[in-house]
Amino acid sequence: DAGVTQSPTHLIKTRGQQVTLRCSPKSGHDTVSWYQQALGQGPQFIFQYYEEEERQRGNFPDRFSGHQFPNYSSELNVNALLLGDSALYLCASSLMPQQNSYEQYFGPGTRLTVT
Amino acid sequence: DAKTTQPNSMESNEEEPVHLPCNHSTISGTDYIHWYRQLPSQGPEYVIHGLTSNVNNRMASLAIAEDRKSSTLILHRATLRDAAVYYCILRDRGSTLGRLYFGRGTQLTVWP
Repeated sequence: DAGVTQSPTHLIKTRGQQVTLRCSPKSGHDTVSWYQQALGQGPQFIFQYYEEEERQRGNFPDRFSGHQFPNYSSELNVNALLLGDSALYLCASSLMPQQNSYEQYFGPGTRLTVT
Repeated sequence: DAKTTQPNSMESNEEEPVHLPCNHSTISGTDYIHWYRQLPSQGPEYVIHGLTSNVNNRMASLAIAEDRKSSTLILHRATLRDAAVYYCILRDRGSTLGRLYFGRGTQLTVWP
């Protein structure tokens, strides 16, 4: 049973460019959340997708957008990249509803470097 | 969102017990206490969670204070593979959304 997978593993972009990160959830999961983790910090919630809609959003600008596909996989898009967007981007999958679902499964992340 | 306070770092010797503390003085009655850990170069992984009673699983034990304002994650015999950042997180039982609020966690170093 494959866990959460993310691609690519590493990515280097230039300021002002756009980037797309991809995530496949754990088999059987229908909800995907994205987190940004700066060096030395804990992960910060970006947004969550369920039934192909954004359900909750953290304190991130509109440059960050996402999409969920019918097969539950998801993309994170970041436009007009800034140096401060350099971070590890984590995808987590889970089941909805989550009152009784206590565990999120995280992928290994995509390391984005903006130069 | 209820916040948690953890020490920045702790150290242990291999095969010794480790007690990782977490303070959450503003916890509400509907908050679950969750612990995740993040091994080097990996995403976080779930460790354990509880509400009021102490909990045990194959990875660890969770001891919750009677007033629920603090908790302790217990690793009974630390191994080198337990070296990681440990996060204590509060999550509203009534929430159907999966948002987790991570702090900076405790960096656990295990010495051979």
